[in-house]
Amino acid sequence: GENVEQHPSTLSVQEGDSAVIKCTYSDSASNYFPWYKQELGKGPQLIIDIRSNVGEKKDQRIAVTLNKTAKHFSLHITETQPEDSAVYFCAAPFSIDQFYFGTGTSLTVIP
Amino acid sequence: NAGVMQNPRHLVRRRGQEARLRCSPMKGHSHVYWYRQLPEEGLKFMVYLQKENIIDESGMPKERFSAEFPKEGPSILRIQQVVRGDSAAYFCASSLNSGRTGNTIYFGEGSWLTVV
Repeated sequence: GENVEQHPSTLSVQEGDSAVIKCTYSDSASNYFPWYKQELGKGPQLIIDIRSNVGEKKDQRIAVTLNKTAKHFSLHITETQPEDSAVYFCAAPFSIDQFYFGTGTSLTVIP
Repeated sequence: NAGVMQNPRHLVRRRGQEARLRCSPMKGHSHVYWYRQLPEEGLKFMVYLQKENIIDESGMPKERFSAEFPKEGPSILRIQQVVRGDSAAYFCASSLNSGRTGNTIYFGEGSWLTVV
């Protein structure tokens, strides 16, 4: 079955610095990789996703890269701001249409 | 805003009572997923449903938990005879088509169950 590993579990950065979160997956058939941001007391919100036919996707300060050969994908946040502080989850599809999620990264941006 | 709607947002139950959590998917979505999140933990898959069908319930506990998605009305996650270990946030998500084909799944704001 699918196994999604996410690192690091916690990350603290100074405001303005970059943050990188990495995930690895095991199912080579996986072809869609979303990232979610979850603020305290709220549901996860999709922030960016990537499909297996591209290696990188960018949306303003957020980018995701995918290495299908190595089976890992990463979230990059540049010029971090205090409002980026949240828990971030990666996900990969598995089996008959369900997603497995990484264990989450708690990001703290220090003003 | 036709997002995924969950209710109740907060629910308190005594041990042994039943909890019913409801989820209305986004308009036009026919695929519903339920996830459980324990405090300071990740999202654990519970069940995947389409209208009137349970497609995958491999993440559901064998006893006391059940889910349905009737032809009309919201999806229901039902927990019978709740115990303190059931205290968690329960998230519903929906997608237009199957998630594996690359269709985005959207989450609701969650239902927080507290068992006292």
